[in-house]
Amino acid sequence: AQSVSQHNHHVILSEAASLELGCNYSYGGTVNLFWYVQYPGQHLQLLLKYFSGDPLVKGIKGFEAEFIKSKFSFNLRKPSVQWSDTAEYFCALAYNNNDMRFGAGTRLTVKP
Amino acid sequence: GAGVSQTPSNKVTEKGKYVELRCDPISGHTALYWYRQSLGQGPEFLIYFQGTGAADDSGLPNDRFFAVRPEGSVSTLKIQRTERGDSAVYLCASNFGGTRGNQPQHFGDGTRLSIL
Repeated sequence: AQSVSQHNHHVILSEAASLELGCNYSYGGTVNLFWYVQYPGQHLQLLLKYFSGDPLVKGIKGFEAEFIKSKFSFNLRKPSVQWSDTAEYFCALAYNNNDMRFGAGTRLTVKP
Repeated sequence: GAGVSQTPSNKVTEKGKYVELRCDPISGHTALYWYRQSLGQGPEFLIYFQGTGAADDSGLPNDRFFAVRPEGSVSTLKIQRTERGDSAVYLCASNFGGTRGNQPQHFGDGTRLSIL
């Protein structure tokens, strides 16, 4: 069955630290991968997406993610986090007819 | 409005009651999705509509859950004989659909359902 695993449940960083959130998926076919962010009190918003082509994709607010097919991974990175990046981050996999599966999420707390 | 609208934002009811949750997608979006999000978890897929028909309802947990989209726009998620375990945030999303799975979904604010 298709699934998405996020390794870190809660990550705490200081401002300016580098961030990497892990995401692995289980699916043998063509995948479309997404990272969504949910700021406190707000709805889920798209951070970035990968469909095909360059495996390094850039999103909003300085985030990027790298698709490594051989590792079934799509890790999210940011070189220098800000306090305003405090949020919950969800990796998601879409396949076939738009079915989407989400990981359990990683809560990021950035200390000022 | 421009986004996905869900009503009510909060619903508190007693065990055994019937509830309806409404989703108004972004205008023009043909695909509509329902998810359930429990505390500390990611959104769990329930059902997906392409137009008026349910393209995939494999995520509905049991026959107490049902969803309709009669005119291909607004959708209603219906839960019969509610149980305390149904308490969660119910999310709705929409997009232009298609068959390649490459359309980002746009989410509403959700309905927080609490079963007492």
